[in-house]
Amino acid sequence: GESVGLHLPTLSVQEGDNSIINCAYSNSASDYFIWYKQESGKGPQFIIDIRSNMDKRQGQRVTVLLNKTVKHLSLQIAATQPGDSAVYFCAENTISGNQFYFGTGTSLTVIP
Amino acid sequence: SAVISQKPSRDICQRGTSLTIQCQVDSQVTMMFWYRQQPGQSLTLIATANQGSEATYESGFVIDKFPISRPNLTFSTLTVSNMSPEDSSIYLCSVLTGMNTGELFFGEGSRLTVL
Repeated sequence: GESVGLHLPTLSVQEGDNSIINCAYSNSASDYFIWYKQESGKGPQFIIDIRSNMDKRQGQRVTVLLNKTVKHLSLQIAATQPGDSAVYFCAENTISGNQFYFGTGTSLTVIP
Repeated sequence: SAVISQKPSRDICQRGTSLTIQCQVDSQVTMMFWYRQQPGQSLTLIATANQGSEATYESGFVIDKFPISRPNLTFSTLTVSNMSPEDSSIYLCSVLTGMNTGELFFGEGSRLTVL
């Protein structure tokens, strides 16, 4: 499958600060991306998605940025809360296939 | 959205045995997938479970080791055969809603420990 990797495997932030989690993908044909949050002992939970015809999408306290030129994806979490502590994964998909391939993951720890 | 139930949620198995994991979805879905998540690692796609036909396996995974069934649009099983400690992982069932691209939902996973 495609190679999707992350720059930072761990990230610690103070409560209230903004968090930025990065992801690099290798398949230039990928055109749909999802960020997932995985809490300990649970399955991944959908956070936000973005299609390749967009470069930014906002949700509640989260923003995803897509830079297709450098094949880079980021997740920004505003006013990070202790409940945001989890592992975050990006996943990529191509419209020609239904399979999703996941990045390495970043473990986010929020310090109260 | 889709609600996905997996059984067992966790198990401890002996080397050389096989275990079948069940995945039940609360609605009919076109695409179902099985992932493996080794300790402290990301998710690796094992195969796409195809309804009424043989599963499509990713590179590095074979049917003899991970036989998959999908008898209908709401149910699938993954068997981990002839287990070794290296098979200790979380196995996750996931479903794709909608046609082509769409949200990928996950079950809570089945945590297998092989002694």
